[in-house]
Amino acid sequence: QKEVEQNSGPLSVPEGAIASLNCTYSDRGSQSFFWYRQYSGKSPELIMSIYSNGDKEDGRFTAQLNKASQYVSLLIRDSQPSDSATYLCAASYSSASKIIFGSGTRLSIRP
Amino acid sequence: DAGVIQSPRHEVTEMGQEVTLRCKPISGHDYLFWYRQTMMRGLELLIYFNNNVPIDDSGMPEDRFSAKMPNASFSTLKIQPSEPRDSAVYFCASSLQKGGATFGSGTRLTVV
Repeated sequence: QKEVEQNSGPLSVPEGAIASLNCTYSDRGSQSFFWYRQYSGKSPELIMSIYSNGDKEDGRFTAQLNKASQYVSLLIRDSQPSDSATYLCAASYSSASKIIFGSGTRLSIRP
Repeated sequence: DAGVIQSPRHEVTEMGQEVTLRCKPISGHDYLFWYRQTMMRGLELLIYFNNNVPIDDSGMPEDRFSAKMPNASFSTLKIQPSEPRDSAVYFCASSLQKGGATFGSGTRLTVV
């Protein structure tokens, strides 16, 4: 079983709307969670980190963590065409610092 | 800060040849990760180091793969002998303690 699961998409969202990206993880020992954005042909770029239950906001981005449900999400408000990319969810275990990635969700913002 | 620096950016080699990928992590970062990315398998963790010591190499696919970190500012990933199925983008990333990792630009390896 894959340790971090994401819907591969593509997810198509109209410009200006809210994009919602979801991720589940299998290891309850995971304590650190990350969202990365990867443009085609580029390297992954860290956009959000979250370590405790609840919401964390940074500009147009909100990360949500629910450890009881083993669920992480990323909301992008006022979506822009420049947000079109693949979004990778990642988890790090408490017993080690290995960072495991999901397969990514392709997001397309249509004008 | 110059970020994580990887070399070469592109490498084309013939099957059976030795390939060495290089990485300079961000100064002060104590974790270093090597990942491989393909369309089929996504982003796979190959090996990671903490304070220059290999912690987990369970993702290294075969004995043909080896990685070293002789000091805090340099790491190598070696494939010997290379095979066409090793063709992928190889990323090096570094992090401070248990924070998120910063990725290098990657090395696109093609084995023909």
